[in-house]
Amino acid sequence: SQTIHQWPATLVQPVGSPLSLECTVEGTSNPNLYWYRQAAGRGLQLLFYSVGIGQISSEVPQNLSASRPQDRQFILSSKKLLLSDSGFYLCAWSVRGRPYEQYFGPGTRLTVT
Amino acid sequence: GENVEQHPSTLSVQEGDSAVIKCTYSDSASNYFPWYKQELGKRPQLIIDIRSNVGEKKDQRIAVTLNKTAKHFSLHITETQPEDSAVYFCAAGWGAQKLVFGQGTRLTINP
Repeated sequence: SQTIHQWPATLVQPVGSPLSLECTVEGTSNPNLYWYRQAAGRGLQLLFYSVGIGQISSEVPQNLSASRPQDRQFILSSKKLLLSDSGFYLCAWSVRGRPYEQYFGPGTRLTVT
Repeated sequence: GENVEQHPSTLSVQEGDSAVIKCTYSDSASNYFPWYKQELGKRPQLIIDIRSNVGEKKDQRIAVTLNKTAKHFSLHITETQPEDSAVYFCAAGWGAQKLVFGQGTRLTINP
């Protein structure tokens, strides 16, 4: 069966520090991969998605970036965090061609202080 | 680009009553409309979806309806139970391999 992992589960970082969040999927090949941010009490904001290695589509221009170095690995990064980057970051995957059926990871709660 | 509006933002119903959440979308090219449920502190999970060639779909106590002409779709939960309390998200998608989510509805079931 398929499993999606995210780490770390929680993170507290000072303003201006770098960020690296990792997501890996097991049990499937060639998945679509997604990064979402969920601010407290708010909806799901799509940040990036990828349909293949090295293929990244950015939805929101900001100080975040994403990379997909391997088929089942998706990384979210920042060189300098802002206070507004605080939130709940969710990684998700779907079968290629079935983007309506997304499976979410457990999430990373990021607090920028 | 696609924009999805979801109403209401909060909804409180008595246990056993029905709950209805409505969404509208802007892009007529959208052709699939999933609904996700997120319990407190947990990840969103797909509960049901509907495609553009179908007007209604049911799964036990949950039903979704779609009106493509008016560009709106709804989630109906009948005989609500305490475990239905959660945040519900609608979404719309098309061939672009991504979804656009609504802002969510916090549903509370009162005993």
